[in-house]
Amino acid sequence: EAGVAQSPRYKIIEKRQSVAFWCNPISGHATLYWYQQILGQGPKLLIQFQNNGVVDDSQLPKDRFSAERLKGVDSTLKIQPAKLEDSAVYLCASSLLGVIGDTQYFGPGTRLTVL
Amino acid sequence: AQSVTQLGSHVSVSEGALVLLRCNYSSSVPPYLFWYVQYPNQGLQLLLKYTSAATLVKGINGFEAEFKKSETSFHLTKPSAHMSDAAEYFCAVSERSQGNLIFGKGTKLSVKP
Repeated sequence: EAGVAQSPRYKIIEKRQSVAFWCNPISGHATLYWYQQILGQGPKLLIQFQNNGVVDDSQLPKDRFSAERLKGVDSTLKIQPAKLEDSAVYLCASSLLGVIGDTQYFGPGTRLTVL
Repeated sequence: AQSVTQLGSHVSVSEGALVLLRCNYSSSVPPYLFWYVQYPNQGLQLLLKYTSAATLVKGINGFEAEFKKSETSFHLTKPSAHMSDAAEYFCAVSERSQGNLIFGKGTKLSVKP
């Protein structure tokens, strides 16, 4: 069974530029999560989708971050414009049902460096 | 509000020694608890999870964790460390119906030969 796929693996941009990350979850998983992991910290949830609807985006900086999950499968996370503090690893995860106790499976992440 | 505290950002053990990584949680309702491992430049991999079925949970790679409600703890142990265990370990709690996770800051485990 294929795992969660993410691309690109690494991205270096200058501040005020825009960037987009792509995620393809495990086939059949209804729930998709985007996390931000700053160096030295644990992952922090940015947004959670159930199929193609948003369940939780309370910690997404909506003035610069946006995400979509068209057709309830793959997803794109965008940052526009990027700030220095956005340097982090962006992790995508998926789970079968998106209920309490459900196991989340993580992709390898995209490491973003903002100069 | 739920939270997770991992005591010790770095733990160093000798190969063959006991591994003990500490995790305390704060939750107003019975929680679901997870331990994930992250190897360099990789995503997180589930080691084990507690879902109230049994207080002692066995996971992959010889790891286990014990849920202690009275101490609000879920410490991770392994009897004998191996060089391949060197990684960062994250404890997480989930109590909301939609299953999102709150992670601790992580503990980096080093294993000396």
